[in-house]
Amino acid sequence: AQSVTQLGSHVSVSEGALVLLRCNYSSSVPPYLFWYVQYPNQGLQLLLKYTSAATLVKGINGFEAEFKKSETSFHLTKPSAHMSDAAEYFCAVSDPTGGSYIPTFGRGTSLIVHP
Amino acid sequence: NAGVTQTPKFQVLKTGQSMTLQCAQDMNHEYMSWYRQDPGMGLRLIHYSVGAGITDQGEVPNGYNVSRSTTEDFPLRLLSAAPSQTSVYFCASSFYSGQGAQAFFGQGTRLTVV
Repeated sequence: AQSVTQLGSHVSVSEGALVLLRCNYSSSVPPYLFWYVQYPNQGLQLLLKYTSAATLVKGINGFEAEFKKSETSFHLTKPSAHMSDAAEYFCAVSDPTGGSYIPTFGRGTSLIVHP
Repeated sequence: NAGVTQTPKFQVLKTGQSMTLQCAQDMNHEYMSWYRQDPGMGLRLIHYSVGAGITDQGEVPNGYNVSRSTTEDFPLRLLSAAPSQTSVYFCASSFYSGQGAQAFFGQGTRLTVV
């Protein structure tokens, strides 16, 4: 069975500060990993994905994440937060051998950006 | 290109009523799924389909039915609505390529059961 754990339901940063959102996964096989962002009253939008190519993945809006197998982690970072980054962020995992490619989501982390 | 379209966007039901949430995708994706989103719980999988005529249960299937008669459509039926089904529902379609898998989401249906 696959699962993800997102550490911290809320993360608060100042504008211009480093953003770090944590995600640890559990999977019996090398997984596919994703970060999605949800702005208020909207659906989910893919930020980036890891699919066993490069371990450092760059996404949209300046975000990136690094796959660390030894730590079973896929943390999301951005060097400098903007006010527009305030949103809910979800880490997700899918099992590439399961045949369904249906992702399992973490509980989400709400990013709050202060002026 | 519409992507994944969900209707309605908002719905209020009385306890015991039934209804169908509609989901359609125009990307010819094999895989479709329904999630519910509740505060602090993330997205939980209700049902999913790996192709026309094939469906399976997810994490929280009780009180919901699905069918997949075409590649494009994946409706979610609430058999007898309960207040515990008050939630935001998201439909997604997924595909797999040599570069991996990706899910595309609709805008959601906000359901209130009174």
